[in-house]
Amino acid sequence: GNSVTQMEGPVTLSEEAFLTINCTYTATGYPSLFWYVQYPGEGLQLLLKATKADDKGSNKGFEATYRKETTSFHLEKGSVQVSDSAVYFCALREIQGAQKLVFGQGTRLTINP
Amino acid sequence: GAVVSQHPSRVICKSGTSVKIECRSLDFQATTMFWYRQFPKKSLMLMATSNEGSKATYEQGVEKDKFLINHASLTLSTLTVTSAHPEDSSFYICSAPDRGVAPLHFGNGTRLTVT
Repeated sequence: GNSVTQMEGPVTLSEEAFLTINCTYTATGYPSLFWYVQYPGEGLQLLLKATKADDKGSNKGFEATYRKETTSFHLEKGSVQVSDSAVYFCALREIQGAQKLVFGQGTRLTINP
Repeated sequence: GAVVSQHPSRVICKSGTSVKIECRSLDFQATTMFWYRQFPKKSLMLMATSNEGSKATYEQGVEKDKFLINHASLTLSTLTVTSAHPEDSSFYICSAPDRGVAPLHFGNGTRLTVT
């Protein structure tokens, strides 16, 4: 079945450091890919998305490129801030059936000042 | 923009009682809503797909009689945890797709604690 694998956390960085959170997927066909962010005590918010190969999603300084050849959708940000501390989830949307979201296990990110 | 409202945000109940969680789409209609459960430091597990006007579709391993789902209108789905036990304590999140696209809109979740 479809699945999403994220890099193990937690990840701790200093402010202004470069961030990469790896995400790879296994899916039938070409699903849509997403990154969601969950701040402490809150629900999920869509951070960015890409719907086809080579698409780049971007938002709030975060970027991720849909790489079909490596089945990856790594999240990057050039200079992180303390306010970026949260849990990040990579997800894919199935293209058949109920088209539900399949999530990775989440990566907890902590940014120290 | 589109918003999904989930209520209550927190609930504490005694073992053996039932708890109802509501999920509303505020400015769009949702024929389908998704209910997730999140364990501590774990990812989200899809529990069921709620379908307006018909029975919910449950994921494998989820007890239908324990987690009752009702989708009575195009803007409201409810999840009732029946005869709750401490192991049901968790964070429950609903999600709804807007105009048939991916479920981009999530409620803020409900923290259930069963004592």
